[in-house]
Amino acid sequence: EAGVTQSPRYAVLQEGQAVSFWCDPISGHDTLYWYQQPRDQGPQLLVYFRDEAVIDNSQLPSDRFSAVRPKGTNSTLKIQSAKQGDTATYLCASSSGGGNYAEQFFGPGTRLTVL
Amino acid sequence: AQKVTQTQTSISVVEKTTVTMDCVYETRDSSYFLFWYKQTASGEIVFLIRQDSYKKENATVGHYSLNFQKPKSSIGLIITATQIEDSAVYFCAMREDNTNTGKLTFGDGTVLTVKP
Repeated sequence: EAGVTQSPRYAVLQEGQAVSFWCDPISGHDTLYWYQQPRDQGPQLLVYFRDEAVIDNSQLPSDRFSAVRPKGTNSTLKIQSAKQGDTATYLCASSSGGGNYAEQFFGPGTRLTVL
Repeated sequence: AQKVTQTQTSISVVEKTTVTMDCVYETRDSSYFLFWYKQTASGEIVFLIRQDSYKKENATVGHYSLNFQKPKSSIGLIITATQIEDSAVYFCAMREDNTNTGKLTFGDGTVLTVKP
């Protein structure tokens, strides 16, 4: 069974540029999470979906970040105008059901550097 | 708000020995779930072991076990017979029960180096 896949694996931008990250969750997983992991820190939840619906995006900087999952499968996280403070690894995770007993499986992440 | 703290930034041990990594948490919820994850050098994050707050018995999976001290809000990870391949960053995480959302709050990790 294929795991969570993400692309690209790396991205380097100048401040002000836009970037999109793509995630393909494990087949059949209805819940998808996006985390931001700054260097030397733990992952921090940005947004998560159940099917195509956003369940919680309270930690997503809405002025520059957006996330969609239109068909309840793949998802895209976009940064409109990147800042140096956005430098981090962006992780996607998925689970079957989003409840307390659902194990999250993580993708390899996209390492973003904003110059 | 929930918070997870890992005070040990890094630990170095000799292989085949036992190591303990500390984690303390804060929560207002009476029911919660605690996890340990491992992040390898490639960036892959792998689930290792969990402890449900209502269970008194410490969880054990392979050579990983937990030291759950609920009165101290502490959940230590114990790795016995360490191997070189155990070198990684270890994250403690918590999920509160009241929302049933699956949201995880992570600590900042402990870097484990296992030397020959």
